[in-house]
Amino acid sequence: QAVLTQPSSLSASPGASASLTCTLRSGINVATYRIYWFQQKPGSPPQFLLRYKSDSDKQQGSGVPSRFSGSKDASANAGILLISGLQSEDEADYYCMIWQSSASSYVFGTGTKVTVL
Amino acid sequence: EVQLVESGGGLVQPGGSLRLSCAASGFTFSSYDMNWVRQAPGKGLEWVSYISSSNYTIYYADSVRGRFTISRDNARNSLYLQMNSLRAEDTAVYYCAREFGTTWGQGTLVTVSS
Repeated sequence: QAVLTQPSSLSASPGASASLTCTLRSGINVATYRIYWFQQKPGSPPQFLLRYKSDSDKQQGSGVPSRFSGSKDASANAGILLISGLQSEDEADYYCMIWQSSASSYVFGTGTKVTVL
Repeated sequence: EVQLVESGGGLVQPGGSLRLSCAASGFTFSSYDMNWVRQAPGKGLEWVSYISSSNYTIYYADSVRGRFTISRDNARNSLYLQMNSLRAEDTAVYYCAREFGTTWGQGTLVTVSS
């Protein structure tokens, strides 16, 4: 089982909201982790969107619109990236990441491909 | 402008070696931790290695430990990745990234093939 699992794809209409989940493996408590989110468009390097641990411990990437926001679902042991007011330019792959101190390593999620129909 | 520029990629035979470089500009390089991240063709992101700002702390992914060596030269504003005993599964675009990924380079492609 992967440390971080993301749905492989998600489709939504322009103007809608999209909720991307990043589920942590059982035994890894989402409450203790900062969740980092990245956007990657074809042929380009990833871009940092935001990191979220709590409402008092969060950081938005430079120039990243406020319609990108982070949260957590403790009951699902998941981090969430919410994209409000979807735009065609939001079509991209999205990756979550954590720093796993027990392994002294960063771990990326499996990635979600977002399509704006 | 904050900028990271990777170089040194190319085609290498299995078992061979390559040294990647990452030139930093537009920020105080010596103040930032740095990472290497790779992405195999059509695949997701994989963290490779971390080095602290002072060179004091270094970490590696299990997949490269013992074969790859990360280093930096703060006087030259440069980050390096020495890759030995290369395997086909090391084929990927290699990115250098500032901190946990606030800034990324454009990447350099490493192809391991006979």
